[in-house]
Amino acid sequence: KQEVTQIPAALSVPEGENLVLNCSFTDSAIYNLQWFRQDPGKGLTSLLLIQSSQREQTSGRLNASLDKSSGRSTLYIAASQPGDSATYLCAVDNAGNMLTFGGGTRLMVKP
Amino acid sequence: GAVVSQHPSRVICKSGTSVKIECRSLDFQATTMFWYRQFPKQSLMLMATSNEGSKATYEQGVEKDKFLINHASLTLSTLTVTSAHPEDSSFYICSAKSGQGSYEQYFGPGTRLTVT
Repeated sequence: KQEVTQIPAALSVPEGENLVLNCSFTDSAIYNLQWFRQDPGKGLTSLLLIQSSQREQTSGRLNASLDKSSGRSTLYIAASQPGDSATYLCAVDNAGNMLTFGGGTRLMVKP
Repeated sequence: GAVVSQHPSRVICKSGTSVKIECRSLDFQATTMFWYRQFPKQSLMLMATSNEGSKATYEQGVEKDKFLINHASLTLSTLTVTSAHPEDSSFYICSAKSGQGSYEQYFGPGTRLTVT
């Protein structure tokens, strides 16, 4: 059974700092991995999707990497802003259908 | 991008009553829809997967008679929480996939259910 872990569970940084969120998974036979953002009381916003054959994806200040063999992904946020404050979730798709979510990292960017 | 809506966004009901939550794909046909539950400060847990026109597949530990799922059309799935109890209070989120070859799931905004 796939297990997804995110470290750290919470992170507080000053504005402008570059930061890295970590996601690890136990079963490397994945179809893809997605990073989502969730604001309090809201649904999920998809940030980046990395197919199993890819090693990274970039969107604006966000860069996600994938190392399938080691079961790891990182989400890099450059020049963080207070508006980046949210919970970041990674999710792994094993069967081409079902997503297994990590516990999330709650990010606070202080002005 | 693909849009998924949920209705209602919030609902409060009394213990013992039933509540229906709708999930709609607004600009694409969703062959598969998923229902998740999220407790406060926890991650999403998959409850069930539904394919249009067939019975839903429930995850282990989810009571199919309590959480009725209907996916009668390619744009609508409903989750009915029957005989709701306070412990069913949670945030319910649906997602939708357009079909074979499409890996991405598009998530709805969620429904906050409070059972008093």
